Amino acid sequence: EAQVTQNPRYLITVTGKKLTVTCSQNMNHEYMSWYRQDPGLGLRQIYYSMNVEVTDKGDVPEGYKVSRKEKRNFPLILESPSPNQTSLYFCASRNRNGMGTQYFGPGTRLLVL
Amino acid sequence: GESVGLHLPTLSVQEGDNSIINCAYSNSASDYFIWYKQESGKGPQFIIDIRSNMDKRQGQRVTVLLNKTVKHLSLQIAATQPGDSAVYFCAENIGSGAGGTSYGKLTFGQGTILTVHP
Repeated sequence: EAQVTQNPRYLITVTGKKLTVTCSQNMNHEYMSWYRQDPGLGLRQIYYSMNVEVTDKGDVPEGYKVSRKEKRNFPLILESPSPNQTSLYFCASRNRNGMGTQYFGPGTRLLVL
Repeated sequence: GESVGLHLPTLSVQEGDNSIINCAYSNSASDYFIWYKQESGKGPQFIIDIRSNMDKRQGQRVTVLLNKTVKHLSLQIAATQPGDSAVYFCAENIGSGAGGTSYGKLTFGQGTILTVHP
């Protein structure tokens, strides 16, 4: 089954404690993205990657890092989480010619105390 | 800054009616637009897309209209069903280019809540 998986699905952490949210897709897609979703603000793109070792900033990259060492994985790293990073995070992937047909993961709900 | 927004945050319709969800965009360089549906507790799901060289595109029960003159996008859902109840987002891409190349950057609107009453 074609899918995007994220782990963990729920996470409670404390300010300053480094964390990583993993994202993996099994569709051999070139493009992967991370979004955060907040009430009243919709989905905002954090980072995206057009292929292995190629990443670029989205609209809200501050406080986040990403890496794309393998085509299937695109982890999101919060080096020093802060309460304003409490949010619902989505990973997405698509192939390079399927612009609209992004496949989204199930989401990771993060609470930073 | 440039942004994508929605005229109506909520829309309630009766089952069987047609629904129209609107979206305004402000970036004249945007050349590709997408509508997504998000059900409670799930990630967004692609519905339909349209390139800026088109003004209308139809899918199954859905139609997207693009008016570049007034920078307006709409999603029409025919014979709306209770299963259509969800939040609908429009998204824009700048510089998707010809031949399917894309820079991968999408900007989403805030969303419209569609509620369909049986």
